[in-house]
Amino acid sequence: GAGVSQSPRYKVAKRGQDVALRCDPISGHVSLFWYQQALGQGPEFLTYFQNEAQLDKSGLPSDRFFAERPEGSVSTLKIQRTQQEDSAVYLCASSQSTKTGGWSYEQYFGPGTRLTVT
Amino acid sequence: GESVGLHLPTLSVQEGDNSIINCAYSNSASDYFIWYKQESGKGPQFIIDIRSNMDKRQGQRVTVLLNKTVKHLSLQIAATQPGDSAVYFCAEPPWGSARQLTFGSGTQLTVLP
Repeated sequence: GAGVSQSPRYKVAKRGQDVALRCDPISGHVSLFWYQQALGQGPEFLTYFQNEAQLDKSGLPSDRFFAERPEGSVSTLKIQRTQQEDSAVYLCASSQSTKTGGWSYEQYFGPGTRLTVT
Repeated sequence: GESVGLHLPTLSVQEGDNSIINCAYSNSASDYFIWYKQESGKGPQFIIDIRSNMDKRQGQRVTVLLNKTVKHLSLQIAATQPGDSAVYFCAEPPWGSARQLTFGSGTQLTVLP
C-alpha cells in the first residue's frame, strides 16, 4: 500500500525566501509528526498533530516555522524567511491508534524533503 | 535530563557475521524503545520495539536486548547482509511526551563483502 509521501524531495531556497513542504500521511492515520534531521544526526521532533489539532509544537525552533493540517490529512510545514541554519532534511511521519484505544509508537516515515538554503 | 545515545558512530562487519549495535539511555523511568533503520536518501524504517517489562525480543534476524540495571539496550543482527548497511537509531518517547520520539545520533553500519 501507499506509504507516507513528501514533496518536493529537494528544495533549494535563497536566504530570506519562504518555503512550503508537503506531507501526505498514510490514509487513516490519526497522528502526524514533523522532524528535522541535520546531516549526520538523528531526527529531532518539531511538531505533532492529532487529526487537525496541533497538540505539540514545542520543537519548532522559531516563530518562522509554522505547520498546519487543516483537514486532518495532508500537512504543510512552512518556513518563512529561510536562514542557512534551516538547511536539513525535513521528515514527516504518521501513526495510527491501536484498535484497543491505546497509542502506537510505531511511526511510518516519508522519504523526507532535503532543504538547502543558499 | 533524559537522553538516548549510541556508543559508536560507525561499525563495520563482514558479510555473514553478526552485528551488535549498542544504545544507552539515562532515564530509568523509560519504558519503551524502538530501533529504526535509515538507508541513504530514505526515511527511517521501523525494525523492532521493546517494552521495559521485557528483557529480550526477537524479530526476523534481529534481537533487541534490554538491560534496565545499566540502562542499556542493544540490537543484534544475525548473518549480516549487504542490505543491512544503513544508519541505525534507537529511539524512545520522552517522559510525558505526546508520543513523539527522541532519537539517538545513530550508528552507521557498513557490511564488508
